[in-house]
Amino acid sequence: DAGVTQSPTHLIKTRGQQVTLRCSPKSGHDTVSWYQQALGQGPQFIFQYYEEEERQRGNFPDRFSGHQFPNYSSELNVNALLLGDSALYLCASRGTSGGWQETQYFGPGTRLLVL
Amino acid sequence: AQSVSQHNHHVILSEAASLELGCNYSYGGTVNLFWYVQYPGQHLQLLLKYFSGDPLVKGIKGFEAEFIKSKFSFNLRKPSVQWSDTAEYFCAVNAGSSNTGKLIFGQGTTLQVKP
Repeated sequence: DAGVTQSPTHLIKTRGQQVTLRCSPKSGHDTVSWYQQALGQGPQFIFQYYEEEERQRGNFPDRFSGHQFPNYSSELNVNALLLGDSALYLCASRGTSGGWQETQYFGPGTRLLVL
Repeated sequence: AQSVSQHNHHVILSEAASLELGCNYSYGGTVNLFWYVQYPGQHLQLLLKYFSGDPLVKGIKGFEAEFIKSKFSFNLRKPSVQWSDTAEYFCAVNAGSSNTGKLIFGQGTTLQVKP
């Protein structure tokens, strides 16, 4: 049973460019959340997708957008990249059959470097 | 706004020493509490969680944590650490059933265990 998978593992971009990160949730999970983890910090919640809609959003600008597909996989898009967007981007998935007590499982992350 | 504070940024212990990592949160309502661990080169893994019931919860690898509602705390403990416990530890809060999926993380504690 594959866990949460993310691609690519590493990415280098320049300021002003756009980037798309991908996530496949753990089998049986239908909810995907994205987090940004800057060096030396804890992960910060970006947004959550369920039933192909953004359900919750953290304190991130509109440059950060996402999408969820019918197979529950998800993309995170970041436009007009800034140096400060350099971070590890984590995807987490959870099921909803157990209600709000379901645990989130994290993927290995995508390391984004903006030059 | 909800927040999580981890008191120790960097802890160095010798093998067999006892461990206690502090975690305090700010939120007055119902909370779900988590400790995640990130071993070097690996992704975030759940150590233990508290949703309700017995405030003393046991997790994997001999870890336990105690929820003290009056102190808004959820400290992590282990009686005897091993070199393999060297990792980054994150406390996280999910603010009740109305805010599912959005985890608020502390800044993390780096634990270094000397053999």
